[in-house]
Amino acid sequence: SQELEQSPQSLIVQEGKNLTINCTSSKTLYGLYWYKQKYGEGLIFLMMLQKGGEEKSHEKITAKLDEKKQQSSLHITASQPSHAGIYLCGADGGNRLAFGKGNQVVVIP
Amino acid sequence: GAGVSQSPSNKVTEKGKDVELRCDPISGHTALYWYRQRLGQGLEFLIYFQGNSAPDKSGLPSDRFSAERTGESVSTLTIQRTQQEDSAVYLCASSLVMPTQYFGPGTRLTVL
Repeated sequence: SQELEQSPQSLIVQEGKNLTINCTSSKTLYGLYWYKQKYGEGLIFLMMLQKGGEEKSHEKITAKLDEKKQQSSLHITASQPSHAGIYLCGADGGNRLAFGKGNQVVVIP
Repeated sequence: GAGVSQSPSNKVTEKGKDVELRCDPISGHTALYWYRQRLGQGLEFLIYFQGNSAPDKSGLPSDRFSAERTGESVSTLTIQRTQQEDSAVYLCASSLVMPTQYFGPGTRLTVL
C-alpha cells in the first residue's frame, strides 16, 4: 500500500515568515492532493497536482509536484495566523485517498 | 452551494452502546467515503460507496462496523458495541469526479 510521509511533523513560524512542508510517497505519485484541517473541523481542499513538475498557487500557497523524487512541497509566503492548522497530503489510492499524518503549522503573531 | 454535512458533530457514549453517524453528501455526488481519524494519526479509510453499493469495504476494522447508503444520498455509519478504541473523528467525503473529495466537518466520537 502507498505510504505518505509528511515533514516536518510540526512547525512554528512567526507571522510574516515563509514556510515549506513536504510530502514524500513510497510509490509513484499519480495524483497528489493537499488539504488543510483546523482543529475540530473537516478537511478543506486546497489543490490537486497531477503531473510531474506541475505547480499551482492559491493566494499565498504554492504547491509543486516532483515526480522523480515522488514528493510534493507546499510553500506559504508571508504566513498569517489564518494559515495555522494541519496540512494533509493525500494520494490517489484507487477507490480512496491515502493520507499522510499531516504537518501541524503554528503561526505566532 | 451546500457542502457535506455530518451529524451529530459530537457524540459521547458508554462502552458497549451502539452509535449511528450520519452523512449528507453534496447533492449529485455519486461517490461517498468514510474515514476515521484517531488522535495524532492520519486519515484511515473505512468504506467507499458508488451510488448505493459499496464496492470497497476493506477498511472497516471489524464486524461491529457497518454502513449503508440510500437513494444515492444519505449514508449512515453504525458502530455496534462501541469500544474505547473506537474514539476518533469520523469524516465523510463525497465526490463527483474521482478522486477529488470534499469533506464534511466530521463527528467526534468519544467512548467512555
